Amino acid sequence: AQSVAQPEDQVNVAEGNPLTVKCTYSVSGNPYLFWYVQYPNRGLQFLLKYITGDNLVKGSYGFEAEFNKSQTSFHLKKPSALVSDSALYFCVSSSNTGKLIFGQGTTLQVKP
Amino acid sequence: EPEVTQTPSHQVTQMGQEVILRCVPISNHLYFYWYRQILGQKVEFLVSFYNNEISEKSEIFDDQFSVERPDGSNFTLKIRSTKLEDSAMYFCASSIQGAGYNEQFFGPGTRLTVL
Repeated sequence: AQSVAQPEDQVNVAEGNPLTVKCTYSVSGNPYLFWYVQYPNRGLQFLLKYITGDNLVKGSYGFEAEFNKSQTSFHLKKPSALVSDSALYFCVSSSNTGKLIFGQGTTLQVKP
Repeated sequence: EPEVTQTPSHQVTQMGQEVILRCVPISNHLYFYWYRQILGQKVEFLVSFYNNEISEKSEIFDDQFSVERPDGSNFTLKIRSTKLEDSAMYFCASSIQGAGYNEQFFGPGTRLTVL
């Protein structure tokens, strides 16, 4: 069965520093992987996705993610964090039929 | 920018009562979904819907649950006889196509509290 793991409940980083939010996946076949972000009282917002091709995927708000097949990872990164990046981040995989499987979420706290 | 909307934002009900959660997907989207998140747990898939039919459903989506697209804009989730364990945040989502590589667009959620 497909699964996604986010090993950190919370990540703390200072504004201006690089950030990484970790994700590993267990998927048979070729994975479809996504990152979504949730701000308070807002819906889940799509950030980026990996389908195939280049292992480095660029997305919204300066975020990027690196797909690593050998390590079955899809870590979310940003070179310079902003206070406004503070939110709940979900790593998600998708079945061929569009059923989404969520990680447990990681709270990102960026401090000024 | 078009967005998915959900009403109400918070619903409180007594155990055994019926509830209907409403969603308005993005207008040109054809595939619709419901997910739920019980407090402290992962977001879980409930059901997908296309062309007025259920495409896929999870084990959670038993006979107490039903979905409907009553008109050209709304997409509803009905729980016939609510249980305490139905208390959760319910998210509606929509996508243009149903293939796994298409991103889904989510509403802000409805928090259901069953007393």
